Amino acid sequence: DTEVTQTPKHLVMGMTNKKSLKCEQHMGHRAMYWYKQKAKKPPELMFVYSYEKLSINESVPSRFSPECPNSSLLNLHLHALQPEDSALYLCASSQAPGSPADTQYFGPGTRLTVL
Amino acid sequence: EDKVVQSPLSLVVHEGDTVTLNCSYEVTNFRSLLWYKQEKKAPTFLFMLTSSGIEKKSGRLSSILDKKELSSILNITATQTGDSAIYLCAVEAGLGNTGKLIFGQGTTLQVKP
Repeated sequence: DTEVTQTPKHLVMGMTNKKSLKCEQHMGHRAMYWYKQKAKKPPELMFVYSYEKLSINESVPSRFSPECPNSSLLNLHLHALQPEDSALYLCASSQAPGSPADTQYFGPGTRLTVL
Repeated sequence: EDKVVQSPLSLVVHEGDTVTLNCSYEVTNFRSLLWYKQEKKAPTFLFMLTSSGIEKKSGRLSSILDKKELSSILNITATQTGDSAIYLCAVEAGLGNTGKLIFGQGTTLQVKP
């Protein structure tokens, strides 16, 4: 089973709203990732959690706030977003960075529209 | 700066054709190269290539890593319309075990009936 699930599938929010994206995996992976993907572009890494600790923040604006409550769950809290933040947000997980054959498996994504 | 470049950016073929997609990289401390297929939503994993595994095959798809030329190819034989997708190449590199992937721009493949 290489399934990563994400909710919601679609989200429309105003610039003053607060919302959260959720990601879950039950593969026993200890690394989880958030990516942002704009149309016709490759995914761009936002955050990496390794063993439930934030290990990489790619200079993401503070209106995006990640949270890893346990090894299976990853959240992305959104507040005061801008229209240019509209994108597909992908979650991925892998065994652990640096482990042999460490492959990232992606969830289906959340399509976010900011009005 | 680490860089991954794919070519061609787009490709249109007919069913039954064979295609070769290219990926070249300039990175420090190469760890692995991965190929993904992206249709409507999430990238789905195809292959991972490392120094200890430079050739992989699965059905009509195969991939080779050339560490001397710092490149990889993805071959698809007897293409089908279901192969139409964006093919992404990504490289894991850098100091420390960060898990950070550097993606190429992708190759958009359209297979016509």
